[in-house]
Amino acid sequence: DTGVSQDPRHKITKRGQNVTFRCDPISEHNRLYWYRQTLGQGPEFLTYFQNEAQLEKSRLLSDRFSAERPKGSFSTLEIQRTEQGDSAMYLCASSFIGEWGNYGYTFGSGTRLTVV
Amino acid sequence: AQKVTQAQTEISVVEKEDVTLDCVYETRDTTYYLFWYKQPPSGELVFLIRRNSFDEQNEISGRYSWNFQKSTSSFNFTITASQVVDSAVYFCALEGTGRRALTFGSGTRLQVQP
Repeated sequence: DTGVSQDPRHKITKRGQNVTFRCDPISEHNRLYWYRQTLGQGPEFLTYFQNEAQLEKSRLLSDRFSAERPKGSFSTLEIQRTEQGDSAMYLCASSFIGEWGNYGYTFGSGTRLTVV
Repeated sequence: AQKVTQAQTEISVVEKEDVTLDCVYETRDTTYYLFWYKQPPSGELVFLIRRNSFDEQNEISGRYSWNFQKSTSSFNFTITASQVVDSAVYFCALEGTGRRALTFGSGTRLQVQP
């Protein structure tokens, strides 16, 4: 297993279009997270899944954003009717949470979204 | 609510200098974890350390060392004899027992000049 994979690496889209990003976590990991990082800022939490259940969504995740993790494997993050303010790096991370807590996070390389 | 503050936006040093990156956190959880990540220009977040709130021992790993002081809610990171390859943005992060997701600081950009 080579780590967390994200696709695409870069996406340029016109305002108003829909976009979808994919994240493939480390196969043994049961948790999957989505973060957004804008220029000069730290990553901000968007949502996370434990297996296929979406356990929490941040207030940052407006109604235009939806995330899924069918069958507890890969995840998709869709943004509908994109706005220029959606331009950011979207990071995916996975981790294993067990009896003794969270054993640490592995981040993907991110998808950089530019809305023009 | 949890919060991580990295007051130093950017630090510039000359190679071989020691540099300390500050991190102050806020949480109501009694059990929590603190992390440091490095983000080089390539963009990927590279894990450096994870520290349990019950373990206040300082840690050293090669040229890196971490000072955890619960009394001041700080988890500072020191690079000894800095090198150009250390140039990156460094993030401090906190995981509480509630959400079990990371809350990041805004990062400190470190520039090491040759």
